[in-house]
Amino acid sequence: GAVVSQHPSWVICKSGTSVKIECRSLDFQATTMFWYRQFPKQSLMLMATSNEGSKATYEQGVEKDKFLINHASLTLSTLTVTSAHPEDSSFYICSALDRRLAKNIQYFGAGTRLSVL
Amino acid sequence: GQQLNQSPQSMFIQEGEDVSMNCTSSSIFNTWLWYKQDPGEGPVLLIALYKAGELTSNGRLTAQFGITRKDSFLNISASIPSDVGIYFCAGQAYGGSQGNLIFGKGTKLSVKP
Repeated sequence: GAVVSQHPSWVICKSGTSVKIECRSLDFQATTMFWYRQFPKQSLMLMATSNEGSKATYEQGVEKDKFLINHASLTLSTLTVTSAHPEDSSFYICSALDRRLAKNIQYFGAGTRLSVL
Repeated sequence: GQQLNQSPQSMFIQEGEDVSMNCTSSSIFNTWLWYKQDPGEGPVLLIALYKAGELTSNGRLTAQFGITRKDSFLNISASIPSDVGIYFCAGQAYGGSQGNLIFGKGTKLSVKP
């Protein structure tokens, strides 16, 4: 399978600060990446689809000004949680879409645990 | 958003037993994927299915893409303690955004040594 690296794996920040999370596809180019949020004991909730060179597509109810997504290269997408508040504390997971061999498979990063104090 | 019906929600089994879990959807899917997630980690792909009726194995794991294109199952044979985790089915629906997945709610597997 393909390798997707997500950094940092955990972060603690003060309320009101911004946090950036990076997602990299290490062995393939990904024009499309996805950002998910996962609450305890629940499934993955899609936040947005990140497309290289264009604006991200946000799911209904996700504030685009709150969760800034940048996909500036074929191997890197970033999610910035702006002016973080305790309710933003969660597990954030990215994935990269591998289109090789016409198989659209999402490979996931290891996730980022965000705790906002 | 739309979700798949995944069952069972949780399973408690003895080491060595076989496990079966499944997912159903009201709409047709063109791809079924099975992932495993360990605590504090991202999901890891186990098996990908692309054709109706397709039966694919990965070691002790076997998954099938249902003939109706609306369901899939995952079997684990001779379970071992490291099989513990949450298993998610995921599918890509016809007409959906390319690459977007719909996830089941997960099956939490516990294995008693």
